[in-house]
Amino acid sequence: EAGVAQSPRYKIIEKRQSVAFWCNPISGHATLYWYQQILGQGPKLLIQFQNNGVVDDSQLPKDRFSAERLKGVDSTLKIQPAKLEDSAVYLCASSLDGLYNEQFFGPGTRLTVL
Amino acid sequence: GNSVTQMEGPVTLSEEAFLTINCTYTATGYPSLFWYVQYPGEGLQLLLKATKADDKGSNKGFEATYRKETTSFHLEKGSVQVSDSAVYFCALDQGGSEKLVFGKGTKLTVNP
Repeated sequence: EAGVAQSPRYKIIEKRQSVAFWCNPISGHATLYWYQQILGQGPKLLIQFQNNGVVDDSQLPKDRFSAERLKGVDSTLKIQPAKLEDSAVYLCASSLDGLYNEQFFGPGTRLTVL
Repeated sequence: GNSVTQMEGPVTLSEEAFLTINCTYTATGYPSLFWYVQYPGEGLQLLLKATKADDKGSNKGFEATYRKETTSFHLEKGSVQVSDSAVYFCALDQGGSEKLVFGKGTKLTVNP
């Protein structure tokens, strides 16, 4: 079974530029998550989708971050404009659905903002 | 709010040594508790979980027991291997909401 795919794996940009990350969840998984993992910290949930609807985006900095999940499958996370403090690993995860379902994580995209 | 506190690393052990990584939590209600592992260059993987008090999760020789009275979920392994070198994250979900809250992670290095 293919895992969660993410691209790119690495990205270096300058502050005030824009960047986009892509995630393809495990086939059939209804729930998709984006996390931000700053160096030395645990992952922090940014947004959770159930199919193509947003369940929770309370920790998403909406002035600069946006995310969409068209057709309830792939998802993109965008930052515009980027700030130095956005340097982090952005993790995508998916789960089948319902309570206590295991979340499966992708390898992440490491973003460096200069 | 809900939070997880892990012992600070890094932790360096020799092969076959005993491992304990401490984890305590603060939560309302009855969260499920998890340990995730992140091997170098890979994504997080679920290592084990426990969904109610006194449950013991186990996998790959690792164990952790959900202790409600001490709000703890310490990770243990009797004999570590070099291949166990990774970063370990303790986490909780807020009463089955699927919203995971992670600790800061503990880096383990096992030397031959």
